[in-house]
Amino acid sequence: AQSVTQLDSQVPVFEEAPVELRCNYSSSVSVYLFWYVQYPNQGLQLLLKYLSGSTLVESINGFEAEFNKSQTSFHLRKPSVHISDTAEYFCAVSDPQSYQLTFGKGTKLSVIP
Amino acid sequence: DGGITQSPKYLFRKEGQNVTLSCEQNLNHDAMYWYRQDPGQGLRLIYYSQIVNDFQKGDIAEGYSVSREKKESFPLTVTSAQKNPTAFYLCASAFRENSYEQYFGPGTRLTVT
Repeated sequence: AQSVTQLDSQVPVFEEAPVELRCNYSSSVSVYLFWYVQYPNQGLQLLLKYLSGSTLVESINGFEAEFNKSQTSFHLRKPSVHISDTAEYFCAVSDPQSYQLTFGKGTKLSVIP
Repeated sequence: DGGITQSPKYLFRKEGQNVTLSCEQNLNHDAMYWYRQDPGQGLRLIYYSQIVNDFQKGDIAEGYSVSREKKESFPLTVTSAQKNPTAFYLCASAFRENSYEQYFGPGTRLTVT
């Protein structure tokens, strides 16, 4: 069985400041890792994913996440946030043999002007 | 345009009534999923289907039913047996071989009074 822990339920940050959203997972097998973003009253959109290879993955809008196997973490970072980044962010894990995603409880990022 | 549609966006029902939520996709995806989202709870899997005429229970299937008669459609019925049906319901789909990479619909917010 797998589980995902998002350590912060809410993160307020000023515009143009850096942000880190934390995600830890537990699994007895190797995993795939994902970050999804949800804007208010909308579905989820895939932000970035780690399947294999380089442990640092990037999205097209400036977010990045680093897979750290020893710490079982997949934290999401952005060096300078924008108002439009205000949303809820979900970390998710899947093992390669499974058809299912296991989601964390989400972190609400609020960017303050 | 390819995508996933869920209708309606908002749905209101009286307690004791069954209600069916629609989910349609034209992405030619094999697998489809239903999730329930409650504030602070993340996403919880209700049912999923990997092929037509076959589906499996997720973590919280009690009080729900589904059918998969067509590849494009995966309707969810919320029955009167579901104790707390008020929630945001999200449908997703994926190719079977990449089922961890799921595409989400816009969601249906169900309110039961």
